[in-house]
Amino acid sequence: GDSVTQMEGPVTLSEEAFLTINCTYTATGYPSLFWYVQYPGEGLQLLLKATKADDKGSNKGFEATYRKETTSFHLEKGSVQVSDSAVYFCALSRGGSNYKLTFGKGTLLTVNP
Amino acid sequence: DAGVTQSPTHLIKTRGQQVTLRCSPKSGHDTVSWYQQALGQGPQFIFQYYEEEERQRGNFPDRFSGHQFPNYSSELNVNALLLGDSALYLCASSLGGGHHGNTIYFGEGSWLTVV
Repeated sequence: GDSVTQMEGPVTLSEEAFLTINCTYTATGYPSLFWYVQYPGEGLQLLLKATKADDKGSNKGFEATYRKETTSFHLEKGSVQVSDSAVYFCALSRGGSNYKLTFGKGTLLTVNP
Repeated sequence: DAGVTQSPTHLIKTRGQQVTLRCSPKSGHDTVSWYQQALGQGPQFIFQYYEEEERQRGNFPDRFSGHQFPNYSSELNVNALLLGDSALYLCASSLGGGHHGNTIYFGEGSWLTVV
């Protein structure tokens, strides 16, 4: 079945550091890939997405590139801020089933001033 | 424009009891899905409702059931509660049966504790 494996946390960085959170997936066909973020006390929010190979999703300074050859969708940000502290989830959906998201376990990011 | 709203936000139930959680989708959305998020885990898909029918179901027992009303709101029912049902239950809404490319919006969830 489909699965998503993402970097174990927690990750602790200083402000303005470079961020990478690794994500790899297993799925048949051509899934769409997503990064969701969960800020403390809030619901999941879509951060970015990519729907086909070599697409790059970007939002709020975060980027991730859909790499089919390595089945990866790593999240990066060049300079993190304290306000980026949250839990980040990598997820996929297959075919026309946009609703059945398969999530990774999440990575807690803490950014210190 | 209200987003996805869920109620109650927190509740405590005893093993063997039944619980009903409620969700109102984002305005204009007609598709609702439910997810279970155990502590320290990613959300797990329970089922999806579209046009008042269950369209897809994840790997959850029949104790988990749902309903969608004509106004697109939805309920999640869990019978014969087990300690392992303790989790955050998330409702997600979208448009058009979950058509690929339509953004999914999540509510803040309902925290269920089973004691």
